[in-house]
Amino acid sequence: GAVVSQHPSRVICKSGTSVKIECRSLDFQATTMFWYRQFPKQSLMLMATSNEGSKATYEQGVEKDKFLINHASLTLSTLTVTSAHPEDSSFYICSALKGGGTGELFFGEGSRLTVL
Amino acid sequence: GESVGLHLPTLSVQEGDNSIINCAYSNSASDYFIWYKQESGKGPQFIIDIRSNMDKRQGQRVTVLLNKTVKHLSLQIAATQPGDSAVYFCAEYAGNMLTFGGGTRLMVKP
Repeated sequence: GAVVSQHPSRVICKSGTSVKIECRSLDFQATTMFWYRQFPKQSLMLMATSNEGSKATYEQGVEKDKFLINHASLTLSTLTVTSAHPEDSSFYICSALKGGGTGELFFGEGSRLTVL
Repeated sequence: GESVGLHLPTLSVQEGDNSIINCAYSNSASDYFIWYKQESGKGPQFIIDIRSNMDKRQGQRVTVLLNKTVKHLSLQIAATQPGDSAVYFCAEYAGNMLTFGGGTRLMVKP
């Protein structure tokens, strides 16, 4: 089946540093990828929709300058948390859309960010 | 705005029993629904989906039921096993955007 790889799975950083998380579709091309944030015992919250070759679409309340998204190729999207602070600590998950319209969505394994 | 809603209960079942997880949605325009399973520290995994032109769809040990009249979705797991323990999310598709419900934690007692 289709696989989406997310890296790193865990990262610990100091406050004020920037962290990049990668999301790769390994065996299919994904023109659309999604980034979610998940707090403990809560559902996934969509942060932004990433479209290859164009600017990401951010959900209301998500700072685009804080969470930089780059979808430079059909198999890679990156999320950079800039100047991270402890409140940015969370579980970040990406997903990649296979095919158009209501094509199947495949999720990465998630990245646990801890900001000290 | 409209949303898929699911309070976050915990469902505890005995191994071997059937499990039923429920979900209410509010966007009547949604025409595609998915159930995901999420184990601790991992991303969601696709379980089963259903389109709005169907009322029922069966997979291996899982069945999804859709009642469009009352905007209700359910996931039935037959002969629940310890490996089924996880958080289950329903989700609806609106265009290219997937909106998740709140999740239900399923605990299987041996």
